[in-house]
Amino acid sequence: GEDVEQSLFLSVREGDSSVINCTYTDSSSTYLYWYKQEPGAGLQLLTYIFSNMDMKQDQRLTVLLNKKDKHLSLRIADTQTGDSAIYFCAHKMDTGRRALTFGSGTRLQVQP
Amino acid sequence: NAGVTQTPKFQVLKTGQSMTLQCAQDMNHEYMSWYRQDPGMGLRLIHYSVGAGITDQGEVPNGYNVSRSTTEDFPLRLLSAAPSQTSVYFCASSYSLATETQYFGPGTRLLVL
Repeated sequence: GEDVEQSLFLSVREGDSSVINCTYTDSSSTYLYWYKQEPGAGLQLLTYIFSNMDMKQDQRLTVLLNKKDKHLSLRIADTQTGDSAIYFCAHKMDTGRRALTFGSGTRLQVQP
Repeated sequence: NAGVTQTPKFQVLKTGQSMTLQCAQDMNHEYMSWYRQDPGMGLRLIHYSVGAGITDQGEVPNGYNVSRSTTEDFPLRLLSAAPSQTSVYFCASSYSLATETQYFGPGTRLLVL
């Protein structure tokens, strides 16, 4: 989706923190999501944040939302080799359509 | 619950052939949708349905038809396949206005020669 942008690739060492960034253009976004896709598999919802929140933490995952800058980030603490995957940022606008607009995905490579 | 299931997992077609990609969910979800995933482009919405008997176009509907005769099933039809339709296709469903979680199927990989 051209109105959701992500960097293509991120490489980290096992045990380090990973930060995956996403920017979006539509200020009417209500929900913002992070999905994980492992090789050959479908998309798995990791977490989501409502637009009136600044931060959400779920175990090793921390989502930060800066509405002013339309910037969303996903921080993975103590990154493991099993975290290697493609991570998609997505958002849903406040319409009845309930469809998601996805970014092009960030490939996270975790090196031992 | 089996969740969202898709068949086949992989298909090879010749240009001009037709086929139907199957999608089913057993969660009594009202909303179902089809996306295609192409390298470097994320997922793009093809068609969606907000309930049985109701369908609408998404971002890239050309070359695809859908129908929703039951709550459970949402097949995607390619009437005359083209090489540009080579992609990975994902079906997704969600419950209703009360939830924002979309559940994705495992995908169908389609190659059109």
